[in-house]
Amino acid sequence: KNQVEQSPQSLIILEGKNCTLQCNYTVSPFSNLRWYKQDTGRGPVSLTIMTFSENTKSNGRYTATLDADTKQSSLHITASQLSDSASYICVVTGNQFYFGTGTSLTVIP
Amino acid sequence: ETGVTQSPTHLIKTRGQQVTLRCSSQSGHNTVSWYQQALGQGPQFIFQYYREEENGRGNFPPRFSGLQFPNYSSELNVNALELDDSALYLCASRLQGTDTQYFGPGTRLTVL
Repeated sequence: KNQVEQSPQSLIILEGKNCTLQCNYTVSPFSNLRWYKQDTGRGPVSLTIMTFSENTKSNGRYTATLDADTKQSSLHITASQLSDSASYICVVTGNQFYFGTGTSLTVIP
Repeated sequence: ETGVTQSPTHLIKTRGQQVTLRCSSQSGHNTVSWYQQALGQGPQFIFQYYREEENGRGNFPPRFSGLQFPNYSSELNVNALELDDSALYLCASRLQGTDTQYFGPGTRLTVL
């Protein structure tokens, strides 16, 4: 069964701290993996995209990693800011788009 | 900022009513997908349209239907609304053959 699982479900961190979000998938065939940021009540916005041959991709303070052998990805956020508070969704593209349920991140001052 | 717009922003309906949600895609994007996102959940795929024809569908009943128009706009219609239909409805457009989806801001539907 094609699934995308994310952990933790929610996370609270202090402003300025780093954090890492996890995504495990069982999607096959695999085309690419994308991390989205979704502010409350808004549509998701793409942060990074990685294909099978890529194992790391950065976008400012966001760094995504991909291990295609273990089918795991992580999103690392460096020096968090209050504006990072959002849901982060992992989406794997196979025959269709498979969405994780997201990690809700809250950054507090 | 994604070039995809949706209307209305919010909508309140009662059980049994019908609703039409609208999406305007990026120019040239001939594929549009609709998603239902319940509170605290990831988006669930409803269906996809390519060149005005449905070419993919998720696990949603026939009372969820859609239309896509030549001007890159589309509609999601839901008949006989149920309380569980309350959710954020997202549309996403892309160019056929590419994987990059551009999401609209969503329509928040509340069914009372």
